[in-house]
Amino acid sequence: QLQLQESGPGLVKPSETLSLTCTVSGGSISSTDYHWGWIRQPPGKGLEWIGSIFYSGSTYYNPSLKSRVTISVDTSKNQFSLKLNSVTAADTAVYYCARHRTYFGSGTYYPYYFDYWGQGTLVTVSS
Amino acid sequence: EIVMTQSPATLSVSPGERATLSCRASQSVSSNLAWYQQRPGQAPRLLIYGASTRATGIPARFSGSGSGTEFTLTISSLQSEDFAVYYCQQYNNWPPWTFGQGTKVEIK
Repeated sequence: QLQLQESGPGLVKPSETLSLTCTVSGGSISSTDYHWGWIRQPPGKGLEWIGSIFYSGSTYYNPSLKSRVTISVDTSKNQFSLKLNSVTAADTAVYYCARHRTYFGSGTYYPYYFDYWGQGTLVTVSS
Repeated sequence: EIVMTQSPATLSVSPGERATLSCRASQSVSSNLAWYQQRPGQAPRLLIYGASTRATGIPARFSGSGSGTEFTLTISSLQSEDFAVYYCQQYNNWPPWTFGQGTKVEIK
């Protein structure tokens, strides 16, 4: 059974870099059927997609966060990671990693919906 | 960016009754729409994709309909475990993939 598990510091200081890793078990991160994504949810608020990555390393980022976000993949460890720099209190949220179901057509892989999610990890930005 | 708007923000329903949730897109998303359920303290769970296809293991009391800009999630007979927040998400025009702000289904 597929499992995704987020890990990383729960507290980050303002202006520093938030770093999280998602470990995938029960399935291969190298499958062409999926991208792998990060979504966040501020306390009491809705969901915001941050970015997604394919096993090849190709990425999509939310334009609103693109200047501060880097997502990378390590296929040897079946992991992918998120870095968000220059954080502020507005970046305080539960961060989820998720499997982004992908379909192939016209020579391109198209990520669609999120079919498996990690349990989420709360990251607080505070001094 | 496509903006997804859900209504109502909160829906009060008695157990056993039907719940109807709405989701509107700022421009057509064809049938490229998913619905998620989020119970308190849990991660979202995929319910519906392709506007009307139930995900694996989702009970038949959940159904989705619509296309273009107007979508509906119907829960035919609410069970205790269905009281949660529901989100819609479009995957027609991206990036970004965008979610609605959610509808909370609470016990009446």
